Amino acid sequence: AQTVTQSQPEMSVQEAETVTLSCTYDTSESDYYLFWYKQPPSRQMILVIRQEAYKQQNATENRFSVNFQKAAKSFSLKISDSQLGDAAMYFCAYRIGNEKLTFGTGTRLTIIP
Amino acid sequence: DAGITQSPRHKVTETGTPVTLRCHQTENHRYMYWYRQDPGHGLRLIHYSYGVKDTDKGEVSDGYSVSRSKTEDFLLTLESATSSQTSVYFCAISDERGEAFFGQGTRLTVV
Repeated sequence: AQTVTQSQPEMSVQEAETVTLSCTYDTSESDYYLFWYKQPPSRQMILVIRQEAYKQQNATENRFSVNFQKAAKSFSLKISDSQLGDAAMYFCAYRIGNEKLTFGTGTRLTIIP
Repeated sequence: DAGITQSPRHKVTETGTPVTLRCHQTENHRYMYWYRQDPGHGLRLIHYSYGVKDTDKGEVSDGYSVSRSKTEDFLLTLESATSSQTSVYFCAISDERGEAFFGQGTRLTVV
């Protein structure tokens, strides 16, 4: 079975600092997608960043970047210059093609002013 | 933003009553999903659909059924609601690139 593990239930970071959220996954597939979703208090699920497994280059979206280690099955999210609006639950997710998304249990990120 | 809406947004119902949640999309995406979100569990898949009248079970499908009679609508039914089904329910759709878009969620309380 495919699993996604987020080992940090809660994290906190000072405003303007950098924080890294961890995610590991388990699969025997070689071609898949990885995602980070953000869920603010509004409850809306917002896609932060995606990574195709066949791409070696780490994805980047403005202040958000990933460290994708395929052999280690690791997919961490780095948030640079943290802002108050980054406070949210962050979910790592995994998917093969158009099959179901499998989610981790989430990391609650708190930004300290 | 992807055109996906869930209804109702909030519902309180009594144990033993049937409940239907609706997901409507305007994107013509083939794939649609129902998830439930509970503290400590992340999002867990209930059922999904890969086309009209084509559906399959997810990891927590017991007590739930779904129907998809047209591309734009995916219905989730609790045949006889129980307190363990109190949760936040999310519908999602996905395109061929694999990216999923989520509805706003439905908070269901079974009393």
